[in-house]
Amino acid sequence: AQSVTQLDSHVSVSEGTPVLLRCNYSSSYSPSLFWYVQHPNKGLQLLLKYTSAATLVKGINGFEAEFKKSETSFHLTKPSAHMSDAAEYFCVVSDRRTYKYIFGTGTRLKVLA
Amino acid sequence: NAGVMQNPRHLVRRRGQEARLRCSPMKGHSHVYWYRQLPEEGLKFMVYLQKENIIDESGMPKERFSAEFPKEGPSILRIQQVVRGDSAAYFCASSPTSGGGHEQFFGPGTRLTVL
Repeated sequence: AQSVTQLDSHVSVSEGTPVLLRCNYSSSYSPSLFWYVQHPNKGLQLLLKYTSAATLVKGINGFEAEFKKSETSFHLTKPSAHMSDAAEYFCVVSDRRTYKYIFGTGTRLKVLA
Repeated sequence: NAGVMQNPRHLVRRRGQEARLRCSPMKGHSHVYWYRQLPEEGLKFMVYLQKENIIDESGMPKERFSAEFPKEGPSILRIQQVVRGDSAAYFCASSPTSGGGHEQFFGPGTRLTVL
């Protein structure tokens, strides 16, 4: 069975400081992992994905995530937060056998001026 | 290449009415997925369709909900006799192939409000 746990429901950072959004996953098979961002009343946009290539994945808008199999983690980071980063972030797991996306419950990122 | 299109973007229904949500996948995509997002929650898988076939409807309530993806035209998610608990955002996604690891492209969603 697959599952995703986003450890923080809300994160607040000051503009210009680093962002860390935590995600742990469980998967019986080699997982594919994704981070999506959702701005208010908008659809979901893919930030980055891991599909068994390099463990450090670079995405759009300066975000990156590192796949750590030993820790079953896929945390999302950004060196310097921007006001426009304020949104809801979802960690998603899928595996090679299935098409279903399993979503975490989301982390709401707030960026303070 | 236009993205995934969903309409309407907002839909208001009274209890007992029918809601019909439409999804046009990206050009060249023949796999469609529907997800539901309840307030303050993540998205939950409902159904996976290919043209003229329902592949997996394990996430869809057995009663009142149905989905189709005809040979021509958009995919339709239909909710009969809506209740307040159906109020949610419904997202459609599409992909060019099936199988794990492939990116799904999401539409902007339809926000259903049941009065």
